[in-house]
Amino acid sequence: EAGVTQSPTHLIKTRGQQATLRCSPISGHTSVYWYQQALGLGLQFLLWYDEGEERNRGNFPPRFSGRQFPNYSSELNVNALELEDSALYLCASSLAGQQETQYFGPGTRLLVL
Amino acid sequence: GIQVEQSPPDLILQEGANSTLRCNFSDSVNNLQWFHQNPWGQLINLFYIPSGTKQNGRLSATTVATERYSLLYISSSQTTDSGVYFCAVDPQAGTALIFGKGTTLSVSS
Repeated sequence: EAGVTQSPTHLIKTRGQQATLRCSPISGHTSVYWYQQALGLGLQFLLWYDEGEERNRGNFPPRFSGRQFPNYSSELNVNALELEDSALYLCASSLAGQQETQYFGPGTRLLVL
Repeated sequence: GIQVEQSPPDLILQEGANSTLRCNFSDSVNNLQWFHQNPWGQLINLFYIPSGTKQNGRLSATTVATERYSLLYISSSQTTDSGVYFCAVDPQAGTALIFGKGTTLSVSS
């Protein structure tokens, strides 16, 4: 069974540009989560999607947004990139319902110059 | 919000040694997971353990939910065990995981 996949593995952008990160969940998983791991700030929750709807959002500005497609894959968009957006962005998926294990993808390393 | 504290922050071991990593959390949780982050950044699931004890090879974990802590035991450590170990909790089932700051383990041969 394939795990969570993310693309691209690396992304280099300049300040002010937009970045789009993609995630495909494990087959059968309907929930997708996005996390940011920035140097010195640890792993922080960004967004949670389930059944195409945004269910929860972390403490991030509105320029961080995303969506979930009918096939449960997800996209994270970061507008008006700032230098401090440089980080490892991790996607996780889980089965629907409560108390389910989250499985993580390999991440996308975003560098903003 | 819920606080997750991991100790020790850093741990240096010789190959073959045993170790115990601790995770304290400040409120009731419905989900607790332990992860190992490899040098490439991938988070590898170790245990889903909101309560009780589980074992997987040289690793085992115990969560005492009533006392709000979890322990990860690594026995006969190997150099491949090096990396960062994270504890993460979900205070409300089906929402976000709140991560501790991690324990960085270095195992030398």
